[in-house]
Amino acid sequence: GEDVEQSLFLSVREGDSSVINCTYTDSSSTYLYWYKQEPGAGLQLLTYIFSNMDMKQDQRLTVLLNKKDKHLSLRIADTQTGDSAIYFCAEKPRSGSARQLTFGSGTQLTVLP
Amino acid sequence: DGGITQSPKYLFRKEGQNVTLSCEQNLNHDAMYWYRQDPGQGLRLIYYSQIVNDFQKGDIAEGYSVSREKKESFPLTVTSAQKNPTAFYLCASSIGEQGSTEAFFGQGTRLTVV
Repeated sequence: GEDVEQSLFLSVREGDSSVINCTYTDSSSTYLYWYKQEPGAGLQLLTYIFSNMDMKQDQRLTVLLNKKDKHLSLRIADTQTGDSAIYFCAEKPRSGSARQLTFGSGTQLTVLP
Repeated sequence: DGGITQSPKYLFRKEGQNVTLSCEQNLNHDAMYWYRQDPGQGLRLIYYSQIVNDFQKGDIAEGYSVSREKKESFPLTVTSAQKNPTAFYLCASSIGEQGSTEAFFGQGTRLTVV
């Protein structure tokens, strides 16, 4: 079955870049997502990438996809204290599967002043 | 404003009681989902529904039940058979299978057994 893995914790200094990594196993994934969760709240979609793309940039966010290695990363430039949150990687399996998204365990990003 | 609303935000349950968590959406989405979140374990799928009057078990359905009598509503009942119900519960909805199908999440309900 599908499996999505992330490291649990990441700490960076304010102003530095953060890179959060994710690996997945389902080679038929169609879309891959990054969600952000602030304390005590639901998940908010940050960005997504279609599986035939290598990179997507959206302001401070850059998503890189290495489909051969099934590796996805999220780079946050000029990380701010407001970026402290849990970041979830998720993948959508091929069309026809009703189960929708499979989530990773989440990476807790801590931004230090 | 369109969105997905969960209530209550906090819920306390005595052992042996059933409790029902509410999830309502006004996004006209066909699909709705319930996830359970425990620290360090990410989101685990409890139940999902692709259409009114139909729902499917997810990975951890034991001890839970759902109904989907209306498109807008997908309540989750945590029964006394659920041995470890203390967790953060998230409801989500999406248009359906096609396209990028972004999932929209509610703000969650934190359930505590006392």
